[in-house]
Amino acid sequence: AQSVTQLDSHVSVSEGTPVLLRCNYSSSYSPSLFWYVQHPNKGLQLLLKYTSAATLVKGINGFEAEFKKSETSFHLTKPSAHMSDAAEYFCVVSDEGSGNTGKLIFGQGTTLQVKP
Amino acid sequence: KAGVTQTPRYLIKTRGQQVTLSCSPISGHRSVSWYQQTPGQGLQFLFEYFSETQRNKGNFPGRFSGRQFSNSRSEMNVSTLELGDSALYLCASSWGTMNTEAFFGQGTRLTVV
Repeated sequence: AQSVTQLDSHVSVSEGTPVLLRCNYSSSYSPSLFWYVQHPNKGLQLLLKYTSAATLVKGINGFEAEFKKSETSFHLTKPSAHMSDAAEYFCVVSDEGSGNTGKLIFGQGTTLQVKP
Repeated sequence: KAGVTQTPRYLIKTRGQQVTLSCSPISGHRSVSWYQQTPGQGLQFLFEYFSETQRNKGNFPGRFSGRQFSNSRSEMNVSTLELGDSALYLCASSWGTMNTEAFFGQGTRLTVV
């Protein structure tokens, strides 16, 4: 079965410093991986996706993630945090490899706090 | 291009009642998925509809049901509401093919009292 584990439930950084949100996945197939962000009382917004093309994926708002098959990781990074980055971040794997097209499996989420 | 629209945004219902939530996907998208988000369980997959057919279903009781119309709009229904059904219900639309991303609505906040 496919799954994702977000290694930190809460990350706190100062504005202007780098952000690292960690995610490990488990998959029997070549996975499709995503990072979504959720601001308070909002829906989920796609930051970036990996679908077996380039292993370094660039997303919106300066975020990027690197797919490392040997480490089964898909960590999200940003060189310099902005106050507006404070939100909940979800690492997500698609279950389509199991034949469940349309089903996403979410990690438990990481709350990113950005201090001024 | 309009995004995914969910109505209503907020609902308060009493235990034992039933509720219907609506989702209008992005124009052209044929897949609509539903998710339940709670503080304890996180985001959990309910079901997915593609071209009016339920293609996948999560591990929820039969009180949770859905349907999709010919214009791809979808509804989900919860019957005999329980306190534990209080959650944010999110709808996502996509093309429904492999490796395509899902676009989410803002959700419907359901409170059962």
